[in-house]
Amino acid sequence: KAGVTQTPRYLIKTRGQQVTLSCSPISGHRSVSWYQQTPGQGLQFLFEYFSETQRNKGNFPGRFSGRQFSNSRSEMNVSTLELGDSALYLCASRPGTGENIQYFGAGTRLSVL
Amino acid sequence: QQQVKQSPQSLIVQKGGISIINCAYENTAFDYFPWYQQFPGKGPALLIAIRPDVSEKKEGRFTISFNKSAKQFSLHIMDSQPGDSATYFCAARWSGGGADGLTFGKGTHLIIQP
Repeated sequence: KAGVTQTPRYLIKTRGQQVTLSCSPISGHRSVSWYQQTPGQGLQFLFEYFSETQRNKGNFPGRFSGRQFSNSRSEMNVSTLELGDSALYLCASRPGTGENIQYFGAGTRLSVL
Repeated sequence: QQQVKQSPQSLIVQKGGISIINCAYENTAFDYFPWYQQFPGKGPALLIAIRPDVSEKKEGRFTISFNKSAKQFSLHIMDSQPGDSATYFCAARWSGGGADGLTFGKGTHLIIQP
């Protein structure tokens, strides 16, 4: 069974630009969560989607948004990029919201110059 | 803001020794406590997890000890091996209020010296 796939693996953008990251969950998993990982703040929860609906959202500004498609694939968008948005963005999937175990992808490394 | 405090930030252990990483939490509503292992260039992978109604859980060389009254839990790696060198994260989740996201500790960079 294929794991969680995130694309692209690396991205370089400049301040003010916007970026879209993609996540394909494990087949059959309907819940997708996004996390931001930085050396200073560690792993922080961004939001979770289930059946195309955002269920929960972490403490991030509105520049961070996401969506989920009918096939459970998810995208995350960051608009008006800031230097502080440089991070590893991780996607995690699980079968449903009642399941605790989350399976993480390898992440997308975003560098904002 | 829910918090999980993890220590130490880094740890060096000799091969064959016991690695111990500690975490403390504040929210008594947390009902699931996993530990994740992360290697460079990879996403975190679930190592072992425990619920608050259990005081200890063991899987191979990895053991979680849980102290509900103290709101603390720890990971013990017995007979530590160089392949265990990685960053370890404790985490907690609470299902109340619909917040299903994991709250992570800041991580412990573990080095096992041969």
